[in-house]
Amino acid sequence: AQSVTQLDSQVPVFEEAPVELRCNYSSSVSVYLFWYVQYPNQGLQLLLKYLSGSTLVKGINGFEAEFNKSQTSFHLRKPSVHISDTAEYFCAVSDQFQEYGNKLVFGAGTILRVKS
Amino acid sequence: DGGITQSPKYLFRKEGQNVTLSCEQNLNHDAMYWYRQDPGQGLRLIYYSQIVNDFQKGDIAEGYSVSREKKESFPLTVTSAQKNPTAFYLCASSIGPGQGYGGYTFGSGTRLTVV
Repeated sequence: AQSVTQLDSQVPVFEEAPVELRCNYSSSVSVYLFWYVQYPNQGLQLLLKYLSGSTLVKGINGFEAEFNKSQTSFHLRKPSVHISDTAEYFCAVSDQFQEYGNKLVFGAGTILRVKS
Repeated sequence: DGGITQSPKYLFRKEGQNVTLSCEQNLNHDAMYWYRQDPGQGLRLIYYSQIVNDFQKGDIAEGYSVSREKKESFPLTVTSAQKNPTAFYLCASSIGPGQGYGGYTFGSGTRLTVV
């Protein structure tokens, strides 16, 4: 079964610094990949997704992620963070050829704390 | 605008009481999901439904029940058998299998507290 590992539970960073949130998944079969953001007491909002094509995916709020099939990774990056980026970020994976439906498997989440 | 509506936003339950959380979507999505979120534990799948009148247990279904009588609606009942129901509950939906893929759309959540 597919599994997702977010390597850091918390990432503290100063405002205007770059950040990388790491995500690895277990299976090398064809996958769809997603990053979601969750602000306190809210639902999850889609940041970006990889379905096919270019391995560098650009999303909202200046975030981007790179799909690396050989390393089964999908790390999220932003060149310069803002205080408003403080939130929890979830990586999620779905196998392209699931027998039943398109269920996502989520990582445990990474809390990004941006400090001034 | 299309989306998912969860209600209520906050819910308080007494010991031994059943409560029902509402989830309605107007996205014409076939599939709907319920997740439970506890601090530091990510999202855990409770139940999911790929089509009307059909649903499957997720990883932590004990103490919960669902129904899917309409495509738009997927209510979750937290029964008295659920010993630790205090958590944040999230509902999501997606297009069905074989229709391409765009991920999930989430509601804004219901925070349930036992009093």
